[in-house]
Amino acid sequence: SQQGEEDPQALSIQEGENATMNCSYKTSINNLQWYRQNSGRGLVHLILIRSNEREKHSGRLRVTLDTSKKSSSLLITASRAADTASYFCAGNSGGSNYKLTFGKGTLLTVNP
Amino acid sequence: GAGVSQSPRYKVAKRGQDVALRCDPISGHVSLFWYQQALGQGPEFLTYFQNEAQLDKSGLPSDRFFAERPEGSVSTLKIQRTQQEDSAVYLCASSLAQGPYNEQFFGPGTRLTVL
Repeated sequence: SQQGEEDPQALSIQEGENATMNCSYKTSINNLQWYRQNSGRGLVHLILIRSNEREKHSGRLRVTLDTSKKSSSLLITASRAADTASYFCAGNSGGSNYKLTFGKGTLLTVNP
Repeated sequence: GAGVSQSPRYKVAKRGQDVALRCDPISGHVSLFWYQQALGQGPEFLTYFQNEAQLDKSGLPSDRFFAERPEGSVSTLKIQRTQQEDSAVYLCASSLAQGPYNEQFFGPGTRLTVL
């Protein structure tokens, strides 16, 4: 079963624009992680935000977490063509300290 | 350094055949995971090892699926009597230790196609 639901399912933007992807999840979490997947590099961990954190930054990435709404967002600023990939949120649930439950992903296309 | 490697990268099997998928985790990583990713979906958890012990196999879809990690390093996922619904990418991941804040490093996956 899928923990998260990403929104939108697909997003197409121009290089230089910002991209925002949202994730809603069902059960309580220890942490929420975002991953990127493309054919060239497989599934790559981007950022982890703990359940007691509200916002986290890493380079051009900004993640927010609202546990009251069971939702998270990933913002990519100043997008590049190389950011074209599928982005997944994955929850690490309270009942397990190791199992990741992924959403269906957002396909981001950055046009040069 | 070397990441997680998987072999073969692509496997085509006829329905009913047995297949074996190999995962070489990052050296020294205690935890090893297998996930199944169907087309257009996110990865779904199959099973988890801590060293050689299989601590969780709750995600294995049927008793045709079997995973082992006998020496606590390399792992093999075996699927017996493959069915068309087994077609998917099988991802292996490893992490340094157990715990929710340990990053999982994923391999490139094995794409299994069952005809």
